[in-house]
Amino acid sequence: DVKVTQSSRYLVKRTGEKVFLECVQDMDHENMFWYRQDPGLGLRLIYFSYDVKMKEKGDIPEGYSVSREKKERFSLILESASTNQTSMYLCASSSSSLPETQYFGPGTRLLVL
Amino acid sequence: SQQGEEDPQALSIQEGENATMNCSYKTSINNLQWYRQNSGRGLVHLILIRSNEREKHSGRLRVTLDTSKKSSSLLITASRAADTASYFCATDAFTSYDKVIFGPGTSLSVIP
Repeated sequence: DVKVTQSSRYLVKRTGEKVFLECVQDMDHENMFWYRQDPGLGLRLIYFSYDVKMKEKGDIPEGYSVSREKKERFSLILESASTNQTSMYLCASSSSSLPETQYFGPGTRLLVL
Repeated sequence: SQQGEEDPQALSIQEGENATMNCSYKTSINNLQWYRQNSGRGLVHLILIRSNEREKHSGRLRVTLDTSKKSSSLLITASRAADTASYFCATDAFTSYDKVIFGPGTSLSVIP
């Protein structure tokens, strides 16, 4: 079974802090994704990556950056957290042989005070 | 930009009844998928239907796709309390096959 893990289930940070969200997958997937999920807005793609050291902007990249130094790990960075970044963050991965099917981590609920 | 749109936004049924959720989308697709999300958890992939397929079954799930109407439906038969979750349709971004676009979801409550 594919396993996608995220470093924290719940996180509380203060405005202006730098925040790191880590995601690790164990299925040797090429593609990895970061979404945020907000009530009424569904899932919105922040960044994705097709390969190590490669990244592509999604629909809402402003205020975020990412890092993919190893194939199994995809990190989301909030350079200076703001209250409007309070959200549920979901990481997902997929293989290039079946890219349509994404496997999700359990999510990190981030509260920025 | 949002591609898929689920309907209804919320649905409440009694255990044992069937639940039907619909998804409409705007542009041509290669495939459409349905995912489930239990409260506070990640999404779980349920079923994928390709644009050349009209119907697909998986256990108590039945998915139909009408590309002429740009719509899909998910039917859960003989619902159980454990089916209580949010259900999302997702379509591929036609210009980028590795991305999918999720709709806002239907919240299903199955009352025991």
